[in-house]
Amino acid sequence: EADIYQTPRYLVIGTGKKITLECSQTMGHDKMYWYQQDPGMELHLIHYSYGVNSTEKGDLSSESTVSRIRTEHFPLTLESARPSHTSQYLCASSEAGTGGLDGYTFGSGTRLTVV
Amino acid sequence: SQKIEQNSEALNIQEGKTATLTCNYTNYSPAYLQWYRQDPGRGPVFLLLIRENEKEKRKERLKVTFDTTLKQSLFHITASQPADSATYLCALDGFGGSQGNLIFGKGTKLSVKP
Repeated sequence: EADIYQTPRYLVIGTGKKITLECSQTMGHDKMYWYQQDPGMELHLIHYSYGVNSTEKGDLSSESTVSRIRTEHFPLTLESARPSHTSQYLCASSEAGTGGLDGYTFGSGTRLTVV
Repeated sequence: SQKIEQNSEALNIQEGKTATLTCNYTNYSPAYLQWYRQDPGRGPVFLLLIRENEKEKRKERLKVTFDTTLKQSLFHITASQPADSATYLCALDGFGGSQGNLIFGKGTKLSVKP
């Protein structure tokens, strides 16, 4: 079944730790995205990729980094977690040829808490 | 900068009634506008897309209208059910830092009471 998977679903981690949020999709989509969402607030684009070896920063400045070595995999890394990084992180993908015309497929998200 | 406003943070209606949610935008003319449903603790789920040259689109109990003059989209759920309770997000394609990627509104939380 075509889908997009994020792990872990929940993560509580101490300040200063390095973390990687995983995102994989089985649909063969070229375009992938990371959004950050705080409770009751809109999604903010923090990173996106148009394909392998392509990564760009989004509208919201983020201290995280991403990589795209394989089409299906788009992990997000925080080198040194801080309490200000506490948020929900949502990964999404879409077909490159149509941009967002068929909608984005989102994962279930990772709820990150930095203590 | 582009701005999206959804009419209210919360909307409470009775089962069987029609729910109408509003999305207004400024400082942009999007090529298309999308609606998503988001349940607590989950990622958004794509519902409908409407293009700038389309006035209306329907899918089962859902209807979306798009008025580019008013810069407004209306999202209707007819014969609403308690299972329709969720947050509904409006999104449009953006420029600038978004490079055509989607920009989302804060959403309207819909509660359908039995």
